[in-house]
Amino acid sequence: KNEVEQSPQNLTAQEGEFITINCSYSVGISALHWLQQHPGGGIVSLFMLSSGKKKHGRLIATINIQEKHSSLHITASHPRDSAVYICAAETSGSRLTFGEGTQLTVNP
Amino acid sequence: NAGVMQNPRHLVRRRGQEARLRCSPMKGHSHVYWYRQLPEEGLKFMVYLQKENIIDESGMPKERFSAEFPKEGPSILRIQQVVRGDSAAYFCASSPPYYPGETQYFGPGTRLLVL
Repeated sequence: KNEVEQSPQNLTAQEGEFITINCSYSVGISALHWLQQHPGGGIVSLFMLSSGKKKHGRLIATINIQEKHSSLHITASHPRDSAVYICAAETSGSRLTFGEGTQLTVNP
Repeated sequence: NAGVMQNPRHLVRRRGQEARLRCSPMKGHSHVYWYRQLPEEGLKFMVYLQKENIIDESGMPKERFSAEFPKEGPSILRIQQVVRGDSAAYFCASSPPYYPGETQYFGPGTRLLVL
């Protein structure tokens, strides 16, 4: 079993739909990161969470430390949101352990 | 403030040659991380460096791979005697000196192809 598990692996949505991507981890963490990898391969850091909830535009990230679970939500999804979304657990020494990623496709 | 820069963006090597990948962190960042993404696989941590120090190299293969982050100049990931299995995208990320508590900023990656 991987230390960081994401679901679903693939997700197809229609424009405007509310999207949720889930991440569970089995290690002790100092923070949980959400990243976006574009079709061209570039990686953008979306959020870093150690507790509670963060919001940036149409993106919302939550974390439940007791349950070792985090979710990334996208409201009013748009085709430009199509990308791979990756969660990563930051453990001691700033090391990141990554999930396998969720391929999101938003159709117009 | 320029972002994290990596060069070259694409590198082709024949088996047995050496590959040198460079990473210039964001201005003011003194922490550098290297990650590898094999084809059709997720990202994997390789090494974490601060200026002139290797902090954590637990993700680095024991042979042929080395990394440095000198006092002046970019961080270098060096792969000696490359093999086909080294073909991958190599990303570096940087963060400020008061990390943890800060986001890691990723470079565009170097795509290494070993023929």
